[in-house]
Amino acid sequence: EPEVTQTPSHQVTQMGQEVILRCVPISNHLYFYWYRQILGQKVEFLVSFYNNEISEKSEIFDDQFSVERPDGSNFTLKIRSTKLEDSAMYFCASSPLREGQPQHFGDGTRLSIL
Amino acid sequence: SQKIEQNSEALNIQEGKTATLTCNYTNYSPAYLQWYRQDPGRGPVFLLLIRENEKEKRKERLKVTFDTTLKQSLFHITASQPADSATYLCALGLLNYGGSQGNLIFGKGTKLSVKP
Repeated sequence: EPEVTQTPSHQVTQMGQEVILRCVPISNHLYFYWYRQILGQKVEFLVSFYNNEISEKSEIFDDQFSVERPDGSNFTLKIRSTKLEDSAMYFCASSPLREGQPQHFGDGTRLSIL
Repeated sequence: SQKIEQNSEALNIQEGKTATLTCNYTNYSPAYLQWYRQDPGRGPVFLLLIRENEKEKRKERLKVTFDTTLKQSLFHITASQPADSATYLCALGLLNYGGSQGNLIFGKGTKLSVKP
């Protein structure tokens, strides 16, 4: 069964540095998402992406964040200048175009900011 | 304010019994509701989706109900097994302004432990 893959599985970065988290969504899916989960808390929506542009974003997704689909397969999340509070699991998800279809999640990147 | 709540943080049951998990929400109008399973250190895995105009959905030992009047969903696992031990997440599916795929709003989850 096709799956969403994320790299790296764990990223350790100094505060203030830029990080790029990478995702390969399921190939025939057209909607892409980033969520984050701070340890012990709920999964929170960051941003959705469709047709090469942001579809929706949450309050968390401020100017420090950006997303890109640089080629036909990869979907990236960039944090420009990391803060301690950015430490979390970041999940990528994808879904088909049709409304009401399940979102398929990757196993996440654990981001640790020192 | 908008809230989504899962009835308890933890639920312990004996193998073979039915586990019932509750998801309540306020001030949302979801088009559909999804249940996911999450194991430690892993991403959520989709289990079941139920739309606003559906009352019940089943898949093998799993059953979900959706009551938009009560603003509640119940998730049942019958004949539970130790392998069912995990955290179960309720997620509301919203539509975006264009009426197509929107983001999911997750509850905090219920950690289910099934004892042999």
